[in-house]
Amino acid sequence: GESVGLHLPTLSVQEGDNSIINCAYSNSASDYFIWYKQESGKGPQFIIDIRSNMDKRQGQRVTVLLNKTVKHLSLQIAATQPGDSAVYFCAEKDNQGGKLIFGQGTELSVKP
Amino acid sequence: DAMVIQNPRYQVTQFGKPVTLSCSQTLNHNVMYWYQQKSSQAPKLLFHYYDKDFNNEADTPDNFQSRRPNTSFCFLDIRSPGLGDTAMYLCATSSTGSYGYTFGSGTRLTVV
Repeated sequence: GESVGLHLPTLSVQEGDNSIINCAYSNSASDYFIWYKQESGKGPQFIIDIRSNMDKRQGQRVTVLLNKTVKHLSLQIAATQPGDSAVYFCAEKDNQGGKLIFGQGTELSVKP
Repeated sequence: DAMVIQNPRYQVTQFGKPVTLSCSQTLNHNVMYWYQQKSSQAPKLLFHYYDKDFNNEADTPDNFQSRRPNTSFCFLDIRSPGLGDTAMYLCATSSTGSYGYTFGSGTRLTVV
């Protein structure tokens, strides 16, 4: 079936460096893509989203890039901080029923 | 203030003993979702409600049931929990201002 997956299960960066978390998706018909941050023992927290008619969207310290040609999504975090340590999930929204389908997650560790 | 509230935060139940998890939302949205998230995995959709219309995912076991007595509340009933049902259970509703969902903090269920 259709699924969203991530390339790397873990990513370790130095505090202050930029982080890039990648995601591959398979459903070319999906309209919306969302990044979530999940800290240990908590529910997923919305970070940023992008619609399929865009290729870039910026937020506060975060940027999402969408490459529909290769079905690739990335999340860039500028000046990574210890508080950014968490698991990051990409998700795509099923444009038929509006259901959110999650990828497998990348665990980001920030070294002080 | 939390918009999706789940109770309890932690639940331990015995193998085969029915258990109910609860969720409430203050957004007055039509849709509510239940996800299961096992350790180190992505959240997996179990079912969702659109108003009173119940929509089960094809691979959700019959052991899992749900009730939605009104717009604000939704319950997840596990009729005969097995050890494999140990997981975090996440409730969500649609978001205002983004394409994703707003999640609760989850209930961590342990079956012993």
